Amino acid sequence: KNEVEQSPQNLTAQEGEFITINCSYSVGISALHWLQQHPGGGIVSLFMLSSGKKKHGRLIATINIQEKHSSLHITASHPRDSAVYICAVGGYQLIWGAGTKLIIKP
Amino acid sequence: DVKVTQSSRYLVKRTGEKVFLECVQDMDHENMFWYRQDPGLGLRLIYFSYDVKMKEKGDIPEGYSVSREKKERFSLILESASTNQTSMYLCASSTKEGTGNQPQHFGDGTRLSIL
Repeated sequence: KNEVEQSPQNLTAQEGEFITINCSYSVGISALHWLQQHPGGGIVSLFMLSSGKKKHGRLIATINIQEKHSSLHITASHPRDSAVYICAVGGYQLIWGAGTKLIIKP
Repeated sequence: DVKVTQSSRYLVKRTGEKVFLECVQDMDHENMFWYRQDPGLGLRLIYFSYDVKMKEKGDIPEGYSVSREKKERFSLILESASTNQTSMYLCASSTKEGTGNQPQHFGDGTRLSIL
């Protein structure tokens, strides 16, 4: 069993929909990271959180330490949000999820 | 903004060749990382370095070596390239306060094909 599980693996939605991507982990962590990878390769850090909730524009990340679960939400989704979203959990090193491929259709 | 620059976006090499992938960061970060990314597997750590001339093996170091002679530069070396090393290679850097507790800044990646 992977230590970091993301769901769904693939998600296709219409522009404007509310998007939720989930991340569950089985190890003790000091921080959880959400990152975004656009086609072509470059990875950008979106959030790092260890408790509660963080918001940046239309993106919201939450974490429940007791349940070892985090969610990334996108409100009013747009085609430019199409990307792979990656969850990683941190202790001494980062343990990476396999990613969720999101496609937003106009 | 932190800039992490990888020397090549695309690279094609032949089996048995010695291959060098170069990475440079401009923010004086102590930590630097090399990952490979394969479909369905996520990122896997090959090596990381926490200081000049210091290195630690990651999850999949076999067939690779690294060099960090200067703080800003971290090189990944494929000693004798094989077809199973065809992959996307990503370099990253971060500050030193706990490798899992700081955001990592990534280069654009090198898509390496070994023929």
